[in-house]
Amino acid sequence: DTAVSQTPKYLVTQMGNDKSIKCEQNLGHDTMYWYKQDSKKFLKIMFSYNNKELIINETVPNRFSPKSPDKAHLNLHINSLELGDSAVYFCASSPNREELFFGSGTQLSVL
Amino acid sequence: GENVEQHPSTLSVQEGDSAVIKCTYSDSASNYFPWYKQELGKRPQLIIDIRSNVGEKKDQRIAVTLNKTAKHFSLHITETQPEDSAVYFCAATYSGGGADGLTFGKGTHLIIQP
Repeated sequence: DTAVSQTPKYLVTQMGNDKSIKCEQNLGHDTMYWYKQDSKKFLKIMFSYNNKELIINETVPNRFSPKSPDKAHLNLHINSLELGDSAVYFCASSPNREELFFGSGTQLSVL
Repeated sequence: GENVEQHPSTLSVQEGDSAVIKCTYSDSASNYFPWYKQELGKRPQLIIDIRSNVGEKKDQRIAVTLNKTAKHFSLHITETQPEDSAVYFCAATYSGGGADGLTFGKGTHLIIQP
């Protein structure tokens, strides 16, 4: 009954591979997000998705693409992984574009 | 866009003492200021928030103050306990128009010394 769940929790992969992280929320929220937390703990927004409106942080490489099959899901696809992509990726949802409910995070390690 | 500065990056206090973390923001349109606590290996969780029509808000041992004129807000934790050890993040956004989500400060690692 976890409110925001993301899988996998850990992802170890080689440079150049393509991978996906899945996120689902059962809170009925309209807005979902992906945040990246680097090794210095800095939380930076990557995408927000609300009612089919996608807002992309301009600093995010186009190798990253969110895909939302429905309001409860926002998956993250990453192509041609690079060493610098190693980080913890958090999915989140919000009822009002203010309070965030985070998933438990996916630790991505690119070797 | 919004820019949020947070200080200090690390704060060590004796158990029972108070801790204060300060943040400044750049966008005068921002009107919602939450604080998140992230314990080691866990997800960030909201602990308290304040809106621009309020100057101070308290919840047991934690309080947040906001100075709109100076564009800064602070988190105050009194009678600190070991379970307060965590990374704390301030954030800011413009309610109703901020479709690009919260802008976070870089975090403060709070260490409670026994």
